[in-house]
Amino acid sequence: SQTIHQWPATLVQPVGSPLSLECTVEGTSNPNLYWYRQAAGRGLQLLFYSVGIGQISSEVPQNLSASRPQDRQFILSSKKLLLSDSGFYLCAWSAGTGGEKLFFGSGTQLSVL
Amino acid sequence: RKEVEQDPGPFNVPEGATVAFNCTYSNSASQSFFWYRQDCRKEPKLLMSVYSSGNEDGRFTAQLNRASQYISLLIRDSKLSDSATYLCVVARGGFKTIFGAGTRLFVKA
Repeated sequence: SQTIHQWPATLVQPVGSPLSLECTVEGTSNPNLYWYRQAAGRGLQLLFYSVGIGQISSEVPQNLSASRPQDRQFILSSKKLLLSDSGFYLCAWSAGTGGEKLFFGSGTQLSVL
Repeated sequence: RKEVEQDPGPFNVPEGATVAFNCTYSNSASQSFFWYRQDCRKEPKLLMSVYSSGNEDGRFTAQLNRASQYISLLIRDSKLSDSATYLCVVARGGFKTIFGAGTRLFVKA
């Protein structure tokens, strides 16, 4: 069966520090991968998605970037965090060509202070 | 206007009650529809897909009205463990899946 791992679970970082969140998927090949952010009391906002190695689509202009160095690895990064980057970050995967159900990692609660 | 809109609630119901959540979406080209459940500080988990003919999974029934661009979720015989936020989710095709902000449900003993 497929599993998705995301770490760390919580992270407290000072403003201006770098960020690296990692997500890996097991049990499937060539998954579609996603990064979402959820602000407190708000809906999920799609940040990036990837349909293959090195292929990244950005949905909103922001202080973040994403990379997919391997088929089942997706990384969210920032060179300098802003206060507004605080939130609950979720990695997800899906199969197929789009429109399918998503399966989420356990999330990272990021607090930028 | 948000692409997917839900009543934020909260809905406070006693155990055993029947509760219904509604959701509207604005993009008529939307193709796939889902309900997810999210517990506090946890990841969303798929509850059920929603099909045009309506579908049921145990105590949960989902319905889709494409003409009115409306989705519903009915929970019968509510349990304490049903307390969560329920997210209405719409996929337009491609990879842009849109999540509603969620409806909070509290089931009380």
